[in-house]
Amino acid sequence: SQQGEEDPQALSIQEGENATMNCSYKTSINNLQWYRQNSGRGLVHLILIRSNEREKHSGRLRVTLDTSKKSSSLLITASRAADTASYFCATDLNTNAGKSTFGDGTTLTVKP
Amino acid sequence: GAGVSQTPSNKVTEKGKYVELRCDPISGHTALYWYRQSLGQGPEFLIYFQGTGAADDSGLPNDRFFAVRPEGSVSTLKIQRTERGDSAVYLCASRLSPSVYNEQFFGPGTRLTVL
Repeated sequence: SQQGEEDPQALSIQEGENATMNCSYKTSINNLQWYRQNSGRGLVHLILIRSNEREKHSGRLRVTLDTSKKSSSLLITASRAADTASYFCATDLNTNAGKSTFGDGTTLTVKP
Repeated sequence: GAGVSQTPSNKVTEKGKYVELRCDPISGHTALYWYRQSLGQGPEFLIYFQGTGAADDSGLPNDRFFAVRPEGSVSTLKIQRTERGDSAVYLCASRLSPSVYNEQFFGPGTRLTVL
């Protein structure tokens, strides 16, 4: 079974609104990453947050990590139609192996 | 090359046939990963190479699946006696080195359909 679980499975919002996606995982991790996937093909790396970090920003993206609750959230502010995609969290148990365990993703639809 | 490339982009085969899927990583990337993604699910780890050797093949579902990377660059995922349940998108990714602090770059995937 997958390590991470995203919530909600699907999210539909209007352009300009904020989108929040959550990820929960089961075992202790070294790092957690968020990826975006368009049209069921190649994934694009968005952001990596280390287990000793609580918050990280990149442009309109904000990621938080709560290791006590084994959860992370991805916030996309001022969403655009181009943000429509599936978003996945991935956890890494071994920093030096780079083997990621993905959740099943949140499908985000941003309506223009 | 500019990115990770995978060929073919689509492969349709009949149950019981043998297939090979190819991955060209970014030049100079020593770590290469294969994942499988079924519809509506996240990618599932299959195997990862550091150089020419398979450092972790714990995700291969059974002995019908095998992967090689003989010269430490291009990798081929081989599936024998394909089954309908093998139908999925097979994703390849590469990293400069295995450390997770190096960004993982994914290819566009090969969509395998077993009839």
